[in-house]
Amino acid sequence: GAGVSQSPRYKVAKRGQDVALRCDPISGHVSLFWYQQALGQGPEFLTYFQNEAQLDKSGLPSDRFFAERPEGSVSTLKIQRTQQEDSAVYLCASSFRDRLVKLFFGEGSRLTVL
Amino acid sequence: SQELEQSPQSLIVQEGKNLTINCTSSKTLYGLYWYKQKYGEGLIFLMMLQKGGEEKSHEKITAKLDEKKQQSSLHITASQPSHAGIYLCGADIRNDYKLSFGAGTTVTVRA
Repeated sequence: GAGVSQSPRYKVAKRGQDVALRCDPISGHVSLFWYQQALGQGPEFLTYFQNEAQLDKSGLPSDRFFAERPEGSVSTLKIQRTQQEDSAVYLCASSFRDRLVKLFFGEGSRLTVL
Repeated sequence: SQELEQSPQSLIVQEGKNLTINCTSSKTLYGLYWYKQKYGEGLIFLMMLQKGGEEKSHEKITAKLDEKKQQSSLHITASQPSHAGIYLCGADIRNDYKLSFGAGTTVTVRA
């Protein structure tokens, strides 16, 4: 696609529900990142994929968070048993190289946990 | 990120006036990226600086990198309403694939 596409743009979940957020990166981009952005803060790193390999998941807040990119393109961030503190915007970004270069961000998925 | 401090946190500027935003790192900068974000939207890439003393300009926006001071500044000349938004600096402070971000500077341009 022309840009990084994320869905859903908005998600409201009741505490305890599971949610899945999808990211469709720019075609051919090797690297894919997930970031979490709390209100009024900058994005915080969650996890990094190089093709289908998850090379770094050090930023995932708990074992309730899980990310995958099985075929090296589309990625899904799954949050199990959502809590109110999970409310944030989840941003996906991709780049064409395996080193840090210009990142292309999607518009984000805003999660609100009630 | 506590490793990147942006200042000011917010500013209001009269249309046509200049403004400057600063980003200071507590660690060595291997690369510095400026992004703009509108509320509820993703980040739009503005500029990337990688070498000490580097300066880049695009339209009315200029960014500079002072490697020794571990600092970057973003300067907007003759601000317009389209410049309103949240400006975020992101930095490579580990010489790897991760970007650390500042908390952002909210810019309001008054007509």
